[in-house]
Amino acid sequence: AQKVTQTQTSISVVEKTTVTMDCVYETRDSSYFLFWYKQTASGEIVFLIRQDSYKKENATVGHYSLNFQKPKSSIGLIITATQIEDSAVYFCARSLDYNQGKLIFGQGTKLSIKP
Amino acid sequence: DMKVTQMPRYLIKRMGENVLLECGQDMSHETMYWYRQDPGLGLQLIYISYDVDSNSEGDIPKGYRVSRKKREHFSLILDSAKTNQTSVYFCASSLGGGTEVFFGKGTRLTVV
Repeated sequence: AQKVTQTQTSISVVEKTTVTMDCVYETRDSSYFLFWYKQTASGEIVFLIRQDSYKKENATVGHYSLNFQKPKSSIGLIITATQIEDSAVYFCARSLDYNQGKLIFGQGTKLSIKP
Repeated sequence: DMKVTQMPRYLIKRMGENVLLECGQDMSHETMYWYRQDPGLGLQLIYISYDVDSNSEGDIPKGYRVSRKKREHFSLILDSAKTNQTSVYFCASSLGGGTEVFFGKGTRLTVV
């Protein structure tokens, strides 16, 4: 199976700082999509940001941005100016097919923001 | 209001009983999913459905089956539930391809 691996089980940072979460993936495809999702304490899972593999520019949405390094099969999530409400579990995911939306997820990284 | 709705939210069943988890979406999405979430394992794909009666196994389909007779509804069935099927189950939907996947709030199933 083509894996998605998040090696950081948990991270703790002080509020208003920048944090980076790592994600590496296996792939045999030339075109695919990469995603980051956030799971809040209530269990709700929400979409944050997406990277198209054929785009060289790193995606940015609000205070979320990506560090996409295709040769390394790596897609890091960067959160700037962190807030307490950013505390959550963050999942990286990769599409297994380009057209039909099959996703495989990493194990998740728990982020704790301290005041 | 774009929503994926799961019923029930909490369920306790005895080993050997049949379990039906139901999911609906109001976005006319073609693609729907069932995932299970266990501590340390992330989200594992059980089944994916590309449209009515067009279902495909995910990574862990054993012990599960699905039914999709209407585009907006996708059911997960556990025939003769086992204790190792205790988990949180998430239904999701999307337009497919690289589009956003919308998740339901999950069903916490306990098999005793």
